[in-house]
Amino acid sequence: AQSVTQLDSQVPVFEEAPVELRCNYSSSVSVYLFWYVQYPNQGLQLLLKYLSGSTLVKGINGFEAEFNKSQTSFHLRKPSVHISDTAEYFCAVSVAGGTSYGKLTFGQGTILTVHP
Amino acid sequence: DVKVTQSSRYLVKRTGEKVFLECVQDMDHENMFWYRQDPGLGLRLIYFSYDVKMKEKGDIPEGYSVSREKKERFSLILESASTNQTSMYLCASRITLTWSDTQYFGPGTRLTVL
Repeated sequence: AQSVTQLDSQVPVFEEAPVELRCNYSSSVSVYLFWYVQYPNQGLQLLLKYLSGSTLVKGINGFEAEFNKSQTSFHLRKPSVHISDTAEYFCAVSVAGGTSYGKLTFGQGTILTVHP
Repeated sequence: DVKVTQSSRYLVKRTGEKVFLECVQDMDHENMFWYRQDPGLGLRLIYFSYDVKMKEKGDIPEGYSVSREKKERFSLILESASTNQTSMYLCASRITLTWSDTQYFGPGTRLTVL
């Protein structure tokens, strides 16, 4: 079975500062990795995903994430945040292939609050 | 754009009532999912359906059932609502070209059981 741990439940940051949201996963098989964002009173939308290949993945709204297989991590970064980035962020994994139907296992979520 | 809609944004029910949550997607997606979201627990999969009339239990199916009679519609049923089912419920859908395809989420239904 897979598991996902988001190491920070809340991250406060000032506008235009850099931010890193940390995600570690556990799995005995190959996985796909995802970051989703949930803005207030909305559903989740995909920020980016890692399937294979280059370990640095670029997503929407200036976010990027780096897959580190040896540390089983997939941390999300943005060099300069904006007030509009205030949201809850979820890291998720799914098993690559097999009969899992690509079911997602989510982390607990990290609330990013950007202060002016 | 993919659109996933849920029948209600907010719902208040009493203990013991039968509750129906409806989800509709307009993109002819094969797969549909029901999650519940609780603070500090993230999203947990209740049930999913990989095609019409097909369903599989997720991680927390107890107390829930589902129905998928048409491809675009996936219903979550609480047979006898209890207070511990007070939560945010999110529906998602996905085309199934590969297992890495993106899931698209609805806005959620916040259910309160009194």
